[in-house]
Amino acid sequence: GEDVEQSLFLSVREGDSSVINCTYTDSSSTYLYWYKQEPGAGLQLLTYIFSNMDMKQDQRLTVLLNKKDKHLSLRIADTQTGDSAIYFCAESLRGATNKLIFGTGTLLAVQP
Amino acid sequence: DTEVTQTPKHLVMGMTNKKSLKCEQHMGHRAMYWYKQKAKKPPELMFVYSYEKLSINESVPSRFSPECPNSSLLNLHLHALQPEDSALYLCASSQESGQNSPLHFGNGTRLTVT
Repeated sequence: GEDVEQSLFLSVREGDSSVINCTYTDSSSTYLYWYKQEPGAGLQLLTYIFSNMDMKQDQRLTVLLNKKDKHLSLRIADTQTGDSAIYFCAESLRGATNKLIFGTGTLLAVQP
Repeated sequence: DTEVTQTPKHLVMGMTNKKSLKCEQHMGHRAMYWYKQKAKKPPELMFVYSYEKLSINESVPSRFSPECPNSSLLNLHLHALQPEDSALYLCASSQESGQNSPLHFGNGTRLTVT
């Protein structure tokens, strides 16, 4: 199957950590991505992880991958109001072409 | 700022109109994509071009016609659209079309069909 599921909404206070979760179903996925979409804008690539890794850290962002459970998470440390946006995870299916299947998206609301 | 530029930002067209969406990138990427995004939904793939050749058409109706004049440009020609085609149309590019090439998106064209 090609379903990628995310929780719809997450609310955190400024300065706290945010954890956005994603569950995918295609075990043949090789790369998994996190994108951020602010209102009225396109998708901004945040980070990505190869399926043979279990963790990747990039400044305030930490990606954790549990391949056995097909679970991906994005942790944002010291969340700021500018982090308020919709976050999409996406899996890249095995094959010749980079065909991304996007998750349902999580709206992150950061309260001051 | 995005390195993938889409024009126009907004477009309103009638069902009998013909219009074109344009996308440009100067990152030397050899794969370009069109995605459609309805409100509160994730993007859905429409077309993929690799080295200026169409490699994927996700069963898109023929009223949408893509064109890749060169490696930097991607157009989407629109004709006889329906109101349900109103959406954000996103262009993306990647270095290659393989799986280890992340997609970089433009800011999209917000299309309204009246």
